[in-house]
Amino acid sequence: DAGVIQSPRHEVTEMGQEVTLRCKPISGHDYLFWYRQTMMRGLELLIYFNNNVPIDDSGMPEDRFSAKMPNASFSTLKIQPSEPRDSAVYFCATQLSGANVLTFGAGSRLTVL
Amino acid sequence: GQQVMQIPQYQHVQEGEDFTTYCNSSTTLSNIQWYKQRPGGHPVFLIQLVKSGEVKKQKRLTFQFGEAKKNSSLHITATQTTDVGTYFCAKFTGNQFYFGTGTSLTVIP
Repeated sequence: DAGVIQSPRHEVTEMGQEVTLRCKPISGHDYLFWYRQTMMRGLELLIYFNNNVPIDDSGMPEDRFSAKMPNASFSTLKIQPSEPRDSAVYFCATQLSGANVLTFGAGSRLTVL
Repeated sequence: GQQVMQIPQYQHVQEGEDFTTYCNSSTTLSNIQWYKQRPGGHPVFLIQLVKSGEVKKQKRLTFQFGEAKKNSSLHITATQTTDVGTYFCAKFTGNQFYFGTGTSLTVIP
């Protein structure tokens, strides 16, 4: 298995632009989590899905953030409009229920100028 | 709340010295996990502890779960430059993973 695949690995954009981050989970993993990592706030859970259904989005910072999981093999995290304070590394991580182990993707490093 | 506190935040050691990071919770934990994140990398699962007083070893790494299941530690014996990175503890509860703040380890050759 190729693991959790995230794209893009790096994104530099200007304030006000729309940003879409993508994640392909490990096949068969039924939980998908989106995390944001910054020096100041560490690893923050933004939202997680179970069987493609959003379960808890209380970590999503603002309405500018949205996440979808249209099918079991694809999820997106969208920021519109982006702001400089959104600069961070965004990780997608997946889990097979019962295994209690998170497998992270390589992350998407976002810089908003 | 759901936080796990981790200390120290940073640690610099000479290669060959030992290193320990501690994880503390105000509530009893059903389990504790440890992850390692190399610089520029992503967190990678190391181990999970579930039993009171449990001790597990992975080569030079020793993981302990406290008797009261409110704290845990990761000890590295004779650090090497390959040990550089940030070590996170995490608890899994309610289908969510709650991560500690991490301890960033620097090993000076």
